[in-house]
Amino acid sequence: QAVLTQPSSLSASPGASASLTCTLRSGINVGAYNIYWYQQKPGSPPQFLLRYKSASDKRQGSGVPSRFSGSEDASANAGILLISGLQSEDEADYYCMIWHSSAWVFGGGTKLTVL
Amino acid sequence: QVQLVQSGTEVKKPGASVKVSCKASGYTFTSYDINWVRQAPGQGLEWMGWMNPKTGDTGHAQKFQGRVTLTRDTSTSTAYLELSSLRSEDTAMYYCARDNSGSGGGWFAPWGQGTLVTVSS
Repeated sequence: QAVLTQPSSLSASPGASASLTCTLRSGINVGAYNIYWYQQKPGSPPQFLLRYKSASDKRQGSGVPSRFSGSEDASANAGILLISGLQSEDEADYYCMIWHSSAWVFGGGTKLTVL
Repeated sequence: QVQLVQSGTEVKKPGASVKVSCKASGYTFTSYDINWVRQAPGQGLEWMGWMNPKTGDTGHAQKFQGRVTLTRDTSTSTAYLELSSLRSEDTAMYYCARDNSGSGGGWFAPWGQGTLVTVSS
């Protein structure tokens, strides 16, 4: 079982909100980790969006709009990237990442389509 | 401005080695770790390793044990990734990225533009 699991795709309408999940493998507690989120558009390197550990311990990337936010669902053992007020420019691949067993581990990524 | 500029496209034969460079500018090179991440065509991101440019300390993903070497030249503010015993599965875009927190954090910014490495006979 992969350390981090993300849905491969998600579609949402302009102006709506999208909730992208990053589920941690059983036995790895989401509350113990900083979860990092990256956005990647075709032909470009990834860009850091935010880090989320808790409601009181989080960091937004430089210039990243506040409509990108992080949270967690402890019951699902998942980190969440919430994007509100979706815009066409938000269409991209999104990756979560954690530090686990002395290595950075990425989720498989979610392709977000805004249509 | 803070920038990482990587070397150009490489085409290698199976079994060969490749060395990718990542030249830093706009900041003190020895103050921030450099990480290496690769992405196979149409696939996701895969972390390869990190290096502390001040001390030369490195770490890497278990998968690349024995095949990856991370070095640096502080006189030119350049980090290097060398991958040996190349196989077709190593065909990917290779990125360097600065750890913007300094060391040990996952805030990678900025990233280099990427170096495409193709392994083909």
